[in-house]
Amino acid sequence: DAGITQSPRHKVTETGTPVTLRCHQTENHRYMYWYRQDPGHGLRLIHYSYGVKDTDKGEVSDGYSVSRSKTEDFLLTLESATSSQTSVYFCATRTSGGYNEQFFGPGTRLTVL
Amino acid sequence: GQQLNQSPQSMFIQEGEDVSMNCTSSSIFNTWLWYKQDPGEGPVLLIALYKAGELTSNGRLTAQFGITRKDSFLNISASIPSDVGIYFCAGLTMEYGNKLVFGAGTILRVKS
Repeated sequence: DAGITQSPRHKVTETGTPVTLRCHQTENHRYMYWYRQDPGHGLRLIHYSYGVKDTDKGEVSDGYSVSRSKTEDFLLTLESATSSQTSVYFCATRTSGGYNEQFFGPGTRLTVL
Repeated sequence: GQQLNQSPQSMFIQEGEDVSMNCTSSSIFNTWLWYKQDPGEGPVLLIALYKAGELTSNGRLTAQFGITRKDSFLNISASIPSDVGIYFCAGLTMEYGNKLVFGAGTILRVKS
């Protein structure tokens, strides 16, 4: 696996507060992704990055922003958390080249009250 | 958005039984991936398929990339208790910006 860590692993916050989740990888993979996982929906892409400072929106990007200032770190920010953003968030990475295999971190369980 | 239909949604296994699950779509895919997720952890890649008709094994797991490129299946032979978990298929399609699309998952439980 790609040596991916996520922090925090669990967080409880209140509606309207800002939240930042961190993904850190040690494999120098070019591509990084943020997904959310909800029952019955599988994994849905929020944002992704194809290099330092290069990011783009995914399927469910409203209410989220991301930043990637260095190869190893990809941050996901909820500017003003809402209860609908209660979910489990996963980071994934992929190397460049012809292979499309993504490797996942352990996840962050976020509860917005 | 793009949909992958994964079935069955859940199933019970008895130790020693063979298990089959599949994913279908109305779109053509270039890559199929199968993942397993244990409770409280992230998905772990089991098998990657890159070519239509390709049949790939990983221990007791066998997966195939459908000839039409619109489906894939995963078989688990002689299941054991640690096979319990959620299995996800994921496909890569140019129709969605060359990004992975995931099925909703198949939950494997142990028959008591």
